Amino acid sequence: DAGITQSPRYKITETGRQVTLMCHQTWSHSYMFWYRQDLGHGLRLIYYSAAADITDKGEVPDGYVVSRSKTENFPLTLESATRSQTSVYFCASRSPVQNTEAFFGQGTRLTVV
Amino acid sequence: GNSVTQMEGPVTLSEEAFLTINCTYTATGYPSLFWYVQYPGEGLQLLLKATKADDKGSNKGFEATYRKETTSFHLEKGSVQVSDSAVYFCALYETSGSRLTFGEGTQLTVNP
Repeated sequence: DAGITQSPRYKITETGRQVTLMCHQTWSHSYMFWYRQDLGHGLRLIYYSAAADITDKGEVPDGYVVSRSKTENFPLTLESATRSQTSVYFCASRSPVQNTEAFFGQGTRLTVV
Repeated sequence: GNSVTQMEGPVTLSEEAFLTINCTYTATGYPSLFWYVQYPGEGLQLLLKATKADDKGSNKGFEATYRKETTSFHLEKGSVQVSDSAVYFCALYETSGSRLTFGEGTQLTVNP
């Protein structure tokens, strides 16, 4: 299917466990992004990537790791999950052409207990 | 750094009422401005955009004008419908164009 897909849609994990959220896009967009959405904070950028093997920190990177070995995939790993990482996570992608829109996945609702 | 400030929500209106959601920004250079909408249980989707001063973006009856003198990009709709109930986000691209910065989001509920 064309588009951008995130998996899983829902995840419950325990404090201290490692968890990976997956993001896959079919457009070969060079830019990909991870945001978290929390009440009162809107969307905050965690990490982004301008191309395969190029990643950079966003506003709230602590506790997260990303990789981009292939253009179409941009997984986000919580190395040791904490309750403060309970959130809804959105992946997005866009082309490098200036001013073009970003396309968002449907989100992953992560609960850390 | 860049920032976007939206009016505090939530906003509750009756069907056919006039809607304004305020958005102001702080940025260096000449950012591009966007409004995204998030329907319940879904990801964000682009509603409209404007890429330079005095541009007006419009879509589905919504409009917003890029006002550089007041650093604003207020969203308006003349007559809202129940189906417009959603969360609305104002956002900007940095001048370099790689990162989107979002406002806090405004929850809109339209009652019949």
